[in-house]
Amino acid sequence: TAGITQAPTSQILAAGRSMTLRCTQDMRHNAMYWYRQDLGLGLRLIHYSNTAGTTGKGEVPDGYSVSRANTDDFPLTLASAVPSQTSVYFCASSDSETGELFFGEGSRLTVL
Amino acid sequence: GQNIDQPTEMTATEGAIVQINCTYQTSGFNGLFWYQQHAGEAPTFLSYNVLDGLEEKGRFSSFLSRSKGYSYLLLKELQMKDSASYLCAVKDSNYQLIWGAGTKLIIKP
Repeated sequence: TAGITQAPTSQILAAGRSMTLRCTQDMRHNAMYWYRQDLGLGLRLIHYSNTAGTTGKGEVPDGYSVSRANTDDFPLTLASAVPSQTSVYFCASSDSETGELFFGEGSRLTVL
Repeated sequence: GQNIDQPTEMTATEGAIVQINCTYQTSGFNGLFWYQQHAGEAPTFLSYNVLDGLEEKGRFSSFLSRSKGYSYLLLKELQMKDSASYLCAVKDSNYQLIWGAGTKLIIKP
């Protein structure tokens, strides 16, 4: 099925360890995004990329980094995880004409 | 600051009609989205409004008033599968999406 694939689906991580969440899309969308979703809060943008080779900071970028080497892949890295990064992470891409976002199934991360 | 307000939770009866409101204060406006999110799943697109008025799509309709900073999502002939969270999001002057916290809709038989 075409769309966005995220991995892993779920992960428990010790504080201080590094972790990369993977995201791959096959829709050839230029723009891609990483959001975190926490109970009682709206989706918050961590980082985004408008096209391959460029990235930008969102609302809550601290502690996270991204890269966009090609159109399809947009990994999110936590260099040294902290418990406040426990969350559900969604990768998304957008259709340039409508702006509609397409989401991956999410990665549930628990930092202990 | 930018703000999107939605009720936290609503309850409705199967077969009935429910209206979920969304008010926004943002720096500029370039469209408003509604997404549906079932528990434990990803959000999925429902509707997009950029001009004032009502957009109808089957059992779901979305209304926008830009002058009032207001939108609503209308769900008719409610089914149990409509139990989900409904997310309102506004695209601001920088074309970034600002998200509301979502409205959890509970459908009772």
